[in-house]
Amino acid sequence: DADVTQTPRNRITKTGKRIMLECSQTKGHDRMYWYRQDPGLGLRLIYYSFDVKDINKGEISDGYSVSRQAQAKFSLSLESAIPNQTALYFCATSDRTVNYGYTFGSGTRLTVV
Amino acid sequence: ELKVEQNPLFLSMQEGKNYTIYCNYSTTSDRLYWYRQDPGKSLESLFVLLSNGAVKQEGRLMASLDTKARLSTLHITAAVHDLSATYFCAVDRTGANSKLTFGKGITLSVRP
Repeated sequence: DADVTQTPRNRITKTGKRIMLECSQTKGHDRMYWYRQDPGLGLRLIYYSFDVKDINKGEISDGYSVSRQAQAKFSLSLESAIPNQTALYFCATSDRTVNYGYTFGSGTRLTVV
Repeated sequence: ELKVEQNPLFLSMQEGKNYTIYCNYSTTSDRLYWYRQDPGKSLESLFVLLSNGAVKQEGRLMASLDTKARLSTLHITAAVHDLSATYFCAVDRTGANSKLTFGKGITLSVRP
């Protein structure tokens, strides 16, 4: 099993729908991150969490919300999906020292029509 | 605000030749990362550079870090088709607020 698992892998949804992307990890890391990738723009940080009670906005948090249900689970929600949220979404984890770098999930490709 | 710039954004390489790509960042950072991404796939960690003058090599790739110039280079020796991919650099800082900031990526294409 992968260390960082994202579900679903692919999703097509309609404009205005609420959708949740899920991330779970078996690394035992306390820090979790959600990034969005668009062609030519690299990866941009949406939200991050350093422990269950700590949630922080990243550079592009508008239109998104998150929930840290447990140390191992970090979900990203699009409250009302719009077409420009079509992107590849990555979850990542790290430990508090980041000695071993960051571990990325396989990604969720989201299409909003 | 921390900014990471990579150039060029696209590079067509000829097999067998050497190339260098660059990563600049705007403020003091503690660590610099290089990742590789194949189309539609996740990010594969290549190197983590921790200090000024750090140099790491893996196969045909060699990465170096100059923290005074806020510059990292990724040198490719004798390019081969398997190196075709998008390469990202990213930086972060140690401490309470560590998070990765990425460049836009450089897409490398190796032609015969």
